[in-house]
Amino acid sequence: GDKVKQSPSALSLQEGTNSALRCNFSIAATTVQWFLQNPRGSLINLFYLVPGTKENGRLKSAFDSKESYSTLHIRDAQLEDSGTYFCAAEAVNTNKVVFGTGTRLQVLP
Amino acid sequence: NAGVIQTPRHKVTGKGQEATLWCEPISGHSAVFWYRQTIVQGLEFLTYFRNQAPIDDSGMPKERFSAQMPNQSHSTLKIQSTQPQDSAVYLCASSLGWGRQNTLYFGAGTRLSVL
Repeated sequence: GDKVKQSPSALSLQEGTNSALRCNFSIAATTVQWFLQNPRGSLINLFYLVPGTKENGRLKSAFDSKESYSTLHIRDAQLEDSGTYFCAAEAVNTNKVVFGTGTRLQVLP
Repeated sequence: NAGVIQTPRHKVTGKGQEATLWCEPISGHSAVFWYRQTIVQGLEFLTYFRNQAPIDDSGMPKERFSAQMPNQSHSTLKIQSTQPQDSAVYLCASSLGWGRQNTLYFGAGTRLSVL
């Protein structure tokens, strides 16, 4: 089955509102990364996390390795935040980076 | 720094032909990852190298897919006897490769279409 599951699979937001995306792992992970794939298909790294939290502008992410999940919070959503968000977990033993199923986010004016 | 460079950007092959995809990692990065992206399967891990050595190829279809990293500056993914189900965007990423430095930087991808 899926080793990295993301929820929700799709989300529509009004501009200026907040949202939270979640990533659950069934593998033991040492680090987590979050990416945004823009409409052109480019994958842009947003966060690289060891257990703990990080914040960058309107984005904040947390990684709990014991409970095997990570979250990405988007504050004051803007149109340019639209795209597909992926989380990726680095497996403990091999350092293989496994991607989640993605959350497609549409920010509406 | 030009980032991760993948060539070609688009490749069209006939069923049964061979396709070779190229990836040039960021200079100084020791880890190279290959992924395949389709609408149905999402982003699938294929294989990865560290210091040119294959570390994990558990995602590679065994029979027709092979990957090499002959030197620090490039890696290739070869698909023999391509089939329509191989159509996908193939993504290469590189990272510094160790411990807390495994942030992945992706190339723009190669879109493979098998007719």
